[in-house]
Amino acid sequence: GAGVSQSPSNKVTEKGKDVELRCDPISGHTALYWYRQSLGQGLEFLIYFQGNSAPDKSGLPSDRFSAERTGGSVSTLTIQRTQQEDSAVYLCASSLGPGLLGDTQYFGPGTRLTVL
Amino acid sequence: EDKVVQSPLSLVVHEGDTVTLNCSYEVTNFRSLLWYKQEKKAPTFLFMLTSSGIEKKSGRLSSILDKKELFSILNITATQTGDSAVYLCAKRGNFGNEKLTFGTGTRLTIIP
Repeated sequence: GAGVSQSPSNKVTEKGKDVELRCDPISGHTALYWYRQSLGQGLEFLIYFQGNSAPDKSGLPSDRFSAERTGGSVSTLTIQRTQQEDSAVYLCASSLGPGLLGDTQYFGPGTRLTVL
Repeated sequence: EDKVVQSPLSLVVHEGDTVTLNCSYEVTNFRSLLWYKQEKKAPTFLFMLTSSGIEKKSGRLSSILDKKELFSILNITATQTGDSAVYLCAKRGNFGNEKLTFGTGTRLTIIP
């Protein structure tokens, strides 16, 4: 596609439920990133995928968060047993990959998650 | 400390004014510094800076990096209401550290 797409655009869930957020990166981009942005805060790194390498999970805040990337393209971020503090906008980005050309990350429109 | 600090936190100016947004950082070993504009949810890319002292320019926007003094500035001349947004600065780590570390942003409001 022309840009990074994410779905759903908005998600309201009840505390304790699991949610899945989807990201479809720009075609040809081998690197994919997940960030989250809480109200009034900057973007916080969650996880990074590059090709078939093991992902960098150093930003995941707890073991309730996990992500996978199938076939080197679409990624799903899963939050289990959601808590109210998980409410945020979850942004996905993709880039050409490691190296200077891949430094520019292109962002999707985000998913706004609200946990009641 | 891997921290990016932006100032001011918010800025309100009149249309036509020139603004300068600041971004400072603490870690010297990084590969690039990026500026993004965030109007709704998706940050849109503005500039990537890798070398000190070389200005990047796009229309009314320009940006420069000072690696010695550890800061970058984003200038917007002849501001328009469409420039109203949150401007984000982010630092890219060295090779092997691929994530972007973002500042909290500067909220710019342009009054007609």
